[in-house]
This record gives sequence, C-alpha cells and structure tokens, in this order.
Amino acid sequence: KAGVTQTPRYLIKTRGQQVTLSCSPISGHRSVSWYQQTPGQGLQFLFEYFSETQRNKGNFPGRFSGRQFSNSRSEMNVSTLELGDSALYLCASTLGTSDGKLFFGEGSRLTVL
Amino acid sequence: GNSVTQMEGPVTLSEEAFLTINCTYTATGYPSLFWYVQYPGEGLQLLLKATKADDKGSNKGFEATYRKETTSFHLEKGSVQVSDSAVYFCALSDLSYDKVIFGPGTSLSVIP
Repeated sequence: KAGVTQTPRYLIKTRGQQVTLSCSPISGHRSVSWYQQTPGQGLQFLFEYFSETQRNKGNFPGRFSGRQFSNSRSEMNVSTLELGDSALYLCASTLGTSDGKLFFGEGSRLTVL
Repeated sequence: GNSVTQMEGPVTLSEEAFLTINCTYTATGYPSLFWYVQYPGEGLQLLLKATKADDKGSNKGFEATYRKETTSFHLEKGSVQVSDSAVYFCALSDLSYDKVIFGPGTSLSVIP
C-alpha cells in the first residue's frame, strides 16, 4: 500500500511569491491534515479536510489556504510569501474516524529567500 | 485550549541506558494520547497510543501509561539503542475531528 506522497519535496521561493504544495493520501483515506514544522514553533496545525470540506483550521493568516479534491488529494497554497514561512510542511492522512492515528508524508521543505 | 508540554531536549544517552521523556497535557474531556517519532529525514510515524485512563500503549520496547490524575503520558524504554535516535513528539487528539495537537518534540541521541 503506497504511503502519503507529497510534492515537491524541496522548493525555493522569494518573498512575495506564492506556492502550491500537493499531497496524495493513502488509498481509502478521506481525511487530510496539514502541519507546519519549524525549529522554533514545532508542529503547528494548519487545517484538516474531510470529503472536500474543511473541518478544522489552525491559527494561521488567510494567506494560507487549502482544498481537497474528490479523490481525496489535497493542495495547500501560501500567497505573498514571507521569510517566516520557511518550514517543512507535512501532510497526514487518516481514514477520518477520529482515532487520531495519522499517517505522515515526508514533507515539502520550503525555503523563502 | 488543548495543549501538550514535553521536557526540553536534546537528550543524550549511552546505549542500553534507561529512557524517560516527560509529557503532560491540558485538555477538556478525555482525549486520546499518542507518541509519534520522527527519524532523520523522514516524516512522523505513530509509535504508540492510549485511548483512556490507565491504558498502557507499547511498541518496539517503548511504553507510556495514560495517567489522568496527573495529566501525563511519559514515554519510557528500558534499554535504548543507537537506532532509537530521533525526535519524539507527544500528542493528543481533539475528540471532535482528526485534529491532533503536538508537543514541541524532544530530540534523543543515543551514543554507542
């Protein structure tokens, strides 16, 4: 069974640009969550989608957005990038049964110059 | 709101030493508790979980007991190996949906 796949793995952007990250969940998983991981803040919850609907949202500005498609694949977008957005963005999928057991991808490492 | 606190790292131990990583939480209701591990260059993976008070989660020689009276979920292992070097995250799940809240992580280095 293929795991959670995130693309791209690494990317470099400059301030003011925007970026789109993609996540393909494990087959059959309907819930996708996104986290931002930084050395200073640890893992911060961004949002969670289930069946194309955003169910939960963390405390991030509106520049951070996401969506989920009918095949459960998800994308997140960050507009008007700032230096502080440099981080590892992790995607996790679950069946959506609220048991908290997350399956993580390897992440997309974003560097903003 | 819900939150998780872990002991500060990094922690450095010799091989075969005893490991304890402290974790306490603040939550309403009865959350499920987890330990996740992140090996170098990899994403997080679930190490163990406990869903109610006094439950003990265990895996790969690691154990943690859900203590509601002390709101704690400390991770222990009797004899660590070099391959256990990783970052360990304590976490709790929001009961409503799949929102998992993580602690800051504790980096463990095991030296031969």
